[in-house]
Amino acid sequence: SYELTQPPSVSVSPGQTASISCSGDKLENKWASWYQQKPGQPPVVVIYQDKKRPSGIPERFSGSNSGNTATLTISGTQPMDEADYFCQAWDSSSAVFGGGTKLTVL
Amino acid sequence: EVLLVQSGAEVKKPGESLKISCKGSGDSFTTTWIGWVRRQPGKGLEWMGIIWPDDSDTRYNPSFQGQVAISADRSINTVYLQWSSLKAADSGMYFCARRDASGSYLDSWGQGTQVTVSS
Repeated sequence: SYELTQPPSVSVSPGQTASISCSGDKLENKWASWYQQKPGQPPVVVIYQDKKRPSGIPERFSGSNSGNTATLTISGTQPMDEADYFCQAWDSSSAVFGGGTKLTVL
Repeated sequence: EVLLVQSGAEVKKPGESLKISCKGSGDSFTTTWIGWVRRQPGKGLEWMGIIWPDDSDTRYNPSFQGQVAISADRSINTVYLQWSSLKAADSGMYFCARRDASGSYLDSWGQGTQVTVSS
């Protein structure tokens, strides 16, 4: 079965750039999506189709996908961005999630 | 945009059965894939399975096959997740989510249903 691997945690200072990686075999051949989840809330998509931002998502969120790695980049990270982030791709009709990355802004 | 509204929190005992629901708005609900995702404390998002409400075509994550049942009632725009005999290990937050028309991501999520199984 297909697997996606993320670092368990990333720390960033306010105003700096945070990068979260997501690795999977030939991931560039799949669409990668990224979800933000805060405690007690449902996930929210922040990036889809590798690099597209849904309406309402700040421009500081961006994405890329090349080779075996997709990357979520948050420029000018704000305290409100502290959350768990999950990458996701499709393996046939099944969604595959990465293990999640806890982003700490301190 | 499809709005997904889930049923309320449940507290059950081991061995009991449970059926939680996810009701969608909009004409396109029955012709869109609706999936279920679990989140347990200290763990990530787990994909459980997906259903096409119009004909109830269902695909399960092998890890959940036989452990849960996903069903739909197209007449009331509702998808269900069901257990016949709950275990403590089933405790967690369950989300329904819609696969977008392009099939590339999950664009709408329910608010979540907390399931607690404890003796």
